[in-house]
Amino acid sequence: DGGITQSPKYLFRKEGQNVTLSCEQNLNHDAMYWYRQDPGQGLRLIYYSQIVNDFQKGDIAEGYSVSREKKESFPLTVTSAQKNPTAFYLCASELRGQPQHFGDGTRLSIL
Amino acid sequence: RKEVEQDPGPFNVPEGATVAFNCTYSNSASQSFFWYRQDCRKEPKLLMSVYSSGNEDGRFTAQLNRASQYISLLIRDSKLSDSATYLCVVNSRQHSGNTPLVFGKGTRLSVIA
Repeated sequence: DGGITQSPKYLFRKEGQNVTLSCEQNLNHDAMYWYRQDPGQGLRLIYYSQIVNDFQKGDIAEGYSVSREKKESFPLTVTSAQKNPTAFYLCASELRGQPQHFGDGTRLSIL
Repeated sequence: RKEVEQDPGPFNVPEGATVAFNCTYSNSASQSFFWYRQDCRKEPKLLMSVYSSGNEDGRFTAQLNRASQYISLLIRDSKLSDSATYLCVVNSRQHSGNTPLVFGKGTRLSVIA
């Protein structure tokens, strides 16, 4: 089945550690996005990519990094510089002119 | 003014009730509009796109008023399974290519038996 797969579903980070969240899609969508959602809050855009080997910062990019080496994959690294990383992370992809479709998310917590 | 504003609720309604959600957006150049539904601890899922002429999908009706920069969602004959948070989403696509969507914080609906 076509879709967006995020892994892992739950992730725990130690202080000072970098962690990478995976997002893979087989929908042949050009654009991919990473959002963060805190309890009771809306989605905030971290990074997005419209095409392979290109990406732009969103509203809250500090402490995060991404890569887009393949069309299917858009991994997000939460670095040690992100001091409050506990949140629900959502990846989405989009075919131009169509609504975004989301993966089922990764919950990141601090140990 | 926030880009996309919604009443956070919660809206607590009995089964069978009709409930309406409103959303305002600040960017008059906005071109695409959507309602998403998000269940607790789950990802958002597209409920419906919103077209200028208004559109209906079963018990759900979406309306767009460009002059007032206002979007609405009407749910008729509410079911227990409609309980969720409803997100108003706007895209300001001014140039070719994909531009990020802007999400409202959502309106929480609880349908009570």
